Amino acid sequence: DAGITQSPRHKVTETGTPVTLRCHQTENHRYMYWYRQDPGHGLRLIHYSYGVKDTDKGEVSDGYSVSRSKTEDFLLTLESATSSQTSVYFCAIRASLTGELFFGEGSRLTVL
Amino acid sequence: QKEVEQNSGPLSVPEGAIASLNCTYSDRGSQSFFWYRQYSGKSPELIMSIYSNGDKEDGRFTAQLNKASQYVSLLIRDSQPSDSATYLCAVEPVNSGNEKLTFGTGTRLTIIP
Repeated sequence: DAGITQSPRHKVTETGTPVTLRCHQTENHRYMYWYRQDPGHGLRLIHYSYGVKDTDKGEVSDGYSVSRSKTEDFLLTLESATSSQTSVYFCAIRASLTGELFFGEGSRLTVL
Repeated sequence: QKEVEQNSGPLSVPEGAIASLNCTYSDRGSQSFFWYRQYSGKSPELIMSIYSNGDKEDGRFTAQLNKASQYVSLLIRDSQPSDSATYLCAVEPVNSGNEKLTFGTGTRLTIIP
């Protein structure tokens, strides 16, 4: 157990509404990541963080923003959700010595 | 060309046989390679990591890395029905910046009792 908690685990929302997903870790890892997973595309990196207030874009960052005000929390925000953002979102942390990623349980988002 | 490629499958293997999963990558400078298992509706779970050429064994699992040919494979010996899952290959490409993994789309494996 890598001590990663995602919330909410399931959410249904309507197009145009803002949505925030939260990732919380308990082990003080420096690197945190947000991926989305869709059939046929695998896991794609949205944004990642390498420290408090230090974030960078991944390959599918359009329409998403992130914030990290504390080491333990990494927030993913969809400012105005669209149906194309219906997906399963995974948060991950990186083990410093090995580079291994460990994932949270996922957040399933449906945008109607 | 995709950075990390896997056969999507599905791959069906009889129980007790060896399952062989393959992955190729495009960034020749990549140094770190990982195999994840993902059951339907669950999150990816790390099975193996490998960093140098050759074989690495962990129980029924063996990861094989060949940097010259730019492929990494996962062998599962004595396959069990509980091995039925999607297997994801992940690579840390040097040209994408450090500390970011790129994943293949996964190979779905079914073990037939």
